[in-house]
Amino acid sequence: EAQVTQNPRYLITVTGKKLTVTCSQNMNHEYMSWYRQDPGLGLRQIYYSMNVEVTDKGDVPEGYKVSRKEKRNFPLILESPSPNQTSLYFCASSLRDRGRITGYNEQFFGPGTRLTVL
Amino acid sequence: EDQVTQSPEALRLQEGESSSLNCSYTVSGLRGLFWYRQDPGKGPEFLFTLYSAGEEKEKERLKATLTKKESFLHITAPKPEDSATYLCAVQSRNGANSKLTFGKGITLSVRP
Repeated sequence: EAQVTQNPRYLITVTGKKLTVTCSQNMNHEYMSWYRQDPGLGLRQIYYSMNVEVTDKGDVPEGYKVSRKEKRNFPLILESPSPNQTSLYFCASSLRDRGRITGYNEQFFGPGTRLTVL
Repeated sequence: EDQVTQSPEALRLQEGESSSLNCSYTVSGLRGLFWYRQDPGKGPEFLFTLYSAGEEKEKERLKATLTKKESFLHITAPKPEDSATYLCAVQSRNGANSKLTFGKGITLSVRP
């Protein structure tokens, strides 16, 4: 089954304790992205990756790191979590947009990771 | 900066009562407009992509349409299982990032 998986699904941690949220996709997608979803703010992009070893900042990258060493995996790292990073996090993936060729940029989302930082 | 505004914020319908959800957008070159459905505690689930003004797509009781400034998601004879939050997002042609800029969503509740 084609899917994006995230782990853990739920996490409660304390300020400053490093954590990693994993994301994996089995669709051979080049593009992967992390979003956070907060009440009243909607979904906002944190980081994205166009392919292996290619990553860049989204709209709200402060306090986060990512890496893309393998095509299928795109972990999100919080080196020193703070309470304002309490949120619902989603990983998404898609084929890379081939310019004027449409129909390839549907993004598939994972089930989400609910993070609470105390 | 790309912007997406969805209205109303919440909509309550009786089963069988058709209605429309609105998504207004501003984007510097539209690559695509997307509709997603999100159930509580789950990730967004893809519904439609629209690429150019005048385009329409249908799926069961849902029909999405697109103009140069807005998109509508028409729900015909909704059922309680259509209750969810509906998200609209745009993707611009600027740069290589396939970022989706989302609206805040419309929470639809359909009463039996």
